[in-house]
Amino acid sequence: QKEVEQDPGPLSVPEGAIVSLNCTYSNSAFQYFMWYRQYSRKGPELLMYTYSSGNKEDGRFTAQVDKSSKYISLFIRDSQPSDSATYLCAMVNSGYSTLTFGKGTMLLVSP
Amino acid sequence: DTGVSQDPRHKITKRGQNVTFRCDPISEHNRLYWYRQTLGQGPEFLTYFQNEAQLEKSRLLSDRFSAERPKGSFSTLEIQRTEQGDSAMYLCASSFGQGGYNEQFFGPGTRLTVL
Repeated sequence: QKEVEQDPGPLSVPEGAIVSLNCTYSNSAFQYFMWYRQYSRKGPELLMYTYSSGNKEDGRFTAQVDKSSKYISLFIRDSQPSDSATYLCAMVNSGYSTLTFGKGTMLLVSP
Repeated sequence: DTGVSQDPRHKITKRGQNVTFRCDPISEHNRLYWYRQTLGQGPEFLTYFQNEAQLEKSRLLSDRFSAERPKGSFSTLEIQRTEQGDSAMYLCASSFGQGGYNEQFFGPGTRLTVL
């Protein structure tokens, strides 16, 4: 079992839909949780990060962390075709700096 | 452009050849990371530097791989005697900080193809 599990998709939605992306993990020592967006053949770009449990909102994006269930989510409201990309979750232990990534979920938003 | 830069962007080589990649981090970032990403997978950590010191290496980093950051600025990643399994995107990231997590900014990557 990998430390971080993420459904690779693809996930296809129409423009304007609410998108839900999620990851599960097994290492209870993870304290920081990140979501990266990666366009084809580009480097990952950090969307947002959360420390420990809770919610964080930034524009159309909301990140949720449930440490009791070892489950994190990213919600995208009013999805746009420009949101079409691969979304990677990543995590790190407190006191460490190296990231453990999920394999990424490919999102396709059709106009 | 003040982001992380990597050179070359693409490299095609024959099996058994040596290759070297370069990463220039964001100015004044003291930490520099190398990750490898294969098709359909997330990035996997290879190694990281704080200033010029290499602080951690993954088990993925076989003895054919070596990384340096001689003056605490740019870094190079060399792969000797390349194998087809080395074909991947090699990503560099940098951050600023001392302990624990600091936001990592990624470069565009170097895509390696080993024939």
